[in-house]
Amino acid sequence: GDSVTQMEGPVTLSEEAFLTINCTYTATGYPSLFWYVQYPGEGLQLLLKATKADDKGSNKGFEATYRKETTSFHLEKGSVQVSDSAVYFCALKGGGFKTIFGAGTRLFVKA
Amino acid sequence: DTGVSQNPRHKITKRGQNVTFRCDPISEHNRLYWYRQTLGQGPEFLTYFQNEAQLEKSRLLSDRFSAERPKGSFSTLEIQRTEQGDSAMYLCASSLAVSGGETQYFGPGTRLLVL
Repeated sequence: GDSVTQMEGPVTLSEEAFLTINCTYTATGYPSLFWYVQYPGEGLQLLLKATKADDKGSNKGFEATYRKETTSFHLEKGSVQVSDSAVYFCALKGGGFKTIFGAGTRLFVKA
Repeated sequence: DTGVSQNPRHKITKRGQNVTFRCDPISEHNRLYWYRQTLGQGPEFLTYFQNEAQLEKSRLLSDRFSAERPKGSFSTLEIQRTEQGDSAMYLCASSLAVSGGETQYFGPGTRLLVL
């Protein structure tokens, strides 16, 4: 069945460092891909999405490109801030109604 | 628009008791989802409603779990004869059916602890 694998955390970075959180997926067909973020004490919220191959989703300085040839959707940000500390979830939605989430990657950004 | 709300936020119960959670979606959203999230894991899909029709149920959802969405508005998730393994965060999300990848809006969750 469909699945999402993302890098284990926690990831600890200093402010202004470059961030990459790897995400790969297994799916039949052409799923939509998502990154969700969960800030401390808050609910999950959509960060960005891409619905077809080679699409780039971007929001708040984060971006991810839908790579069908490598079945990947890595999250990147050029310069992280303390306020980016959160748990990040990669997810996919295939042909049905179910969204499959990865296990989450916790990011800590130090001042 | 106040977003998706869930009640209660926390529930502690004894094994064998029944519990019911409520989700109020964003008012114009016709799709509603329930997920379960355990510590250190991502949300796992439980069930999906389009308006009042329950269109998909996960195999994770045993016979002790039932969900309803009367009149296509709020939804309830009931767990009968709770077990310790049911302890988790139960998340509700709603969305509007659109082409090109819908956006699901999540509520804050109900944290269940079964003693």
